[in-house]
Amino acid sequence: ETGVTQSPTHLIKTRGQQVTLRCSSQSGHNTVSWYQQALGQGPQFIFQYYREEENGRGNFPPRFSGLQFPNYSSELNVNALELDDSALYLCASSLYQAGFGTEAFFGQGTRLTVV
Amino acid sequence: AQKVTQAQTEISVVEKEDVTLDCVYETRDTTYYLFWYKQPPSGELVFLIRRNSFDEQNEISGRYSWNFQKSTSSFNFTITASQVVDSAVYFCALSEKAYGGATNKLIFGTGTLLAVQP
Repeated sequence: ETGVTQSPTHLIKTRGQQVTLRCSSQSGHNTVSWYQQALGQGPQFIFQYYREEENGRGNFPPRFSGLQFPNYSSELNVNALELDDSALYLCASSLYQAGFGTEAFFGQGTRLTVV
Repeated sequence: AQKVTQAQTEISVVEKEDVTLDCVYETRDTTYYLFWYKQPPSGELVFLIRRNSFDEQNEISGRYSWNFQKSTSSFNFTITASQVVDSAVYFCALSEKAYGGATNKLIFGTGTLLAVQP
């Protein structure tokens, strides 16, 4: 098991609502990335946080936002939920100083269902 | 544009058979990394291997082996003598030097579901 933990495990929300997902990174890691994995698809990069700032973003609208805290844990916030936001949301932690291509460790994910 | 293609959607084998999972990638960068991850039903992505673009040596780790060929932009994964515990979805992924190398963005393929029957 990696040391990356995510909460909650499962979540059901209604279209239009807002949701917050949480992630604790592995010990010693200072960078957190978030991915969205729709059913039957590969994970898609949402964004990455380092030093409490976003330093890379994929093709996702602004209603997807995040935070990183001084202890390197992170939150993913999604506003105005749409049915297509239903997916497994994965958090990954890595070490910034190792640069791109470094090994990333994933949590078990949060399964979000929007009804 | 960067892209990872895993053409095999599902593969079913009988235990002890060998199986190869294919991965083809596209990138304009000369410096990049390739990965394989395993995703069991629990959902967590388990890291298997990382290979940089300058190292074309094949690698073997127990029953697992990887064949990296830059000439064909492929990074295939072979499981020898498969076991039921190998049943999972396997993802190939690419990491390029974007944002000045500051972002560890992984580009995943669509995955291959491997079912190993007893």
